[in-house]
Amino acid sequence: DAGVIQSPRHEVTEMGQEVTLRCKPISGHDYLFWYRQTMMRGLELLIYFNNNVPIDDSGMPEDRFSAKMPNASFSTLKIQPSEPRDSAVYFCASSLEPEETQYFGPGTRLLVL
Amino acid sequence: AQSVTQLDSQVPVFEEAPVELRCNYSSSVSVYLFWYVQYPNQGLQLLLKYLSGSTLVESINGFEAEFNKSQTSFHLRKPSVHISDTAEYFCAVTLSGGSYIPTFGRGTSLIVHP
Repeated sequence: DAGVIQSPRHEVTEMGQEVTLRCKPISGHDYLFWYRQTMMRGLELLIYFNNNVPIDDSGMPEDRFSAKMPNASFSTLKIQPSEPRDSAVYFCASSLEPEETQYFGPGTRLLVL
Repeated sequence: AQSVTQLDSQVPVFEEAPVELRCNYSSSVSVYLFWYVQYPNQGLQLLLKYLSGSTLVESINGFEAEFNKSQTSFHLRKPSVHISDTAEYFCAVTLSGGSYIPTFGRGTSLIVHP
């Protein structure tokens, strides 16, 4: 298996633009997680899905952020409109069971100017 | 809910010296414990984990961690570090026996100097 795949790896955009981050989890993993990592706040859980259904989105910072999982092999995290404070590395991870090992993608480094 | 504390944000050490990265958790029930490592510009990857059984768990690259229930700790150790061990290390805890997701610590930056 290729592991968790994320695209793009780097994204530079201007404030106010829409940003879409993409993730393909490991095949057969029923849980998918979106995290944000910054120097100031560390690693933050934004939202996670079980069998394509959002279970907990309490970590989503505000309404500008939305996440979807239309099928078992694809998820998106969208920021609209983007702001400079959204600059961070966004990770997607997947696991077989909620309490089991999480497998992380390489991350998307987002810079909002 | 469980929580995890990594007591050191940064640990500088010289090559070939021993190192300990500290992790404490708070939970009154059984837990699963994990250490993840993040090399520069990469995602996190599992280093080792404790689910049950022997309280001492080892990784393939010489790290070990011991589950201490009385002290609610899961410290990570290595007797002799290499330059290549320079990375961010995250401790994570989750409750066992249910649909609980792991809680991650803030991370400890291990910096190995030549």
